[in-house]
Amino acid sequence: QSALTQPASVSGSPGQSITISCTGSSSDVGGYDYVSWYQQHPGKAPKLMIYDVTNRPSGVSNRFSGSKSANTASLTISGLRAEDEAVYYCSSYTSSITHVVFGGGTKLTVL
Amino acid sequence: QVQLQESGPGLVRPSETLSLTCNVSDDSITRYYWSWIRQPPGKGLEWIGYIYYSGNTNSNPSLKSRVTISVDTSKNQFSLKLSSVTAADTGVYFCVRDVPTPGYFGRPGRWFDPWGPGILVTVSS
Repeated sequence: QSALTQPASVSGSPGQSITISCTGSSSDVGGYDYVSWYQQHPGKAPKLMIYDVTNRPSGVSNRFSGSKSANTASLTISGLRAEDEAVYYCSSYTSSITHVVFGGGTKLTVL
Repeated sequence: QVQLQESGPGLVRPSETLSLTCNVSDDSITRYYWSWIRQPPGKGLEWIGYIYYSGNTNSNPSLKSRVTISVDTSKNQFSLKLSSVTAADTGVYFCVRDVPTPGYFGRPGRWFDPWGPGILVTVSS
């Protein structure tokens, strides 16, 4: 069981927008602005898409955006494209001894 | 641009020790924390542990008694040893740069980037 809760799957049609939620607690998501999101295509390493809740690394499309409210962080992908189909993981810094917690991953299907 | 590359055996016998090395290129290993993360087949990500160039290290309590992480600053490498492996330790192992929280007493876990391509380790007799 993962420390952060994500929906197992979401789907959307090309051009649409989708949002993936990531729910934690006041010890992680709610307590710090250190939530990150990763995109993983089959057989590949995860790729950083969002860090510090809302920031995009250089080279990541502005179709990807992040936000947070209380203990829930969200990743929104606008203008869905076929290449966005992947598994998305959230992660948060935590005050616990492990210092980081992951979500279980959300499979995005582009219909 | 920093690049990471894992290396080590792809097959380990049950009860033996898994040993992996991560080579860090185009960045100094003394500038960040460095972590190991693994992914069992078809499952999610699990943080294994981190190390700082000073030797400060920590690992997941669920694995702590079996994990040893070390660093060789002269080679710009860090390594993972996982002892007494079982089939449950089968998976892809990634080495990552672990960016800390801000400040002099920054702690790791803020975000992970970049990731090595990963290495599949199978535990089987």
